[in-house]
Amino acid sequence: RKEVEQDPGPFNVPEGATVAFNCTYSNSASQSFFWYRQDCRKEPKLLMSVYSSGNEDGRFTAQLNRASQYISLLIRDSKLSDSATYLCVVNIPADYKLSFGAGTTVTVRA
Amino acid sequence: EADIYQTPRYLVIGTGKKITLECSQTMGHDKMYWYQQDPGMELHLIHYSYGVNSTEKGDLSSESTVSRIRTEHFPLTLESARPSHTSQYLCASSEYSLTDTQYFGPGTRLTVL
Repeated sequence: RKEVEQDPGPFNVPEGATVAFNCTYSNSASQSFFWYRQDCRKEPKLLMSVYSSGNEDGRFTAQLNRASQYISLLIRDSKLSDSATYLCVVNIPADYKLSFGAGTTVTVRA
Repeated sequence: EADIYQTPRYLVIGTGKKITLECSQTMGHDKMYWYQQDPGMELHLIHYSYGVNSTEKGDLSSESTVSRIRTEHFPLTLESARPSHTSQYLCASSEYSLTDTQYFGPGTRLTVL
């Protein structure tokens, strides 16, 4: 079983729509959670860290559900520029490293 | 923007050549990493370093080697390139721990003919 699993999508949404997707992680002891954004053929860039209480950054909202071991990302009022692959990242306590999911692709159309 | 740089950005080379991919960062980060990523696929950690004179192998077995003589510099070397090494190589660094936010360089896209 992979340490981090994501629905690969793609999620095709019109501009202005709300899109949400989850990521599940296998290690209940994980403590650090992030969402990264990766554009085609570019490097990943940090979108936001995910905190226990949930957090919001503009149109982006991240939630953590420890009981069910998943984190979610919600994008409101989607823009064309939001089209990208969103990587879920979780720490692996035993290895003291981060594990990257394979990504969820979002395509926002005009 | 992260101050982490990789050269070359693109490299096309013949089989059997020795290559070194450069990575440098000016943020003073102790932790540095090399990832390999094929198009549309997930990142795989191939090497990491806790600091100067520290190098560790990652989750994905790789024929490449790394060195960490200076804090800011973490080069990756392939002694004899093969077509199976064709991929994108991404360098990253983090400040406090291996589970801290990682900042990525722009990557080197390697093609071995």
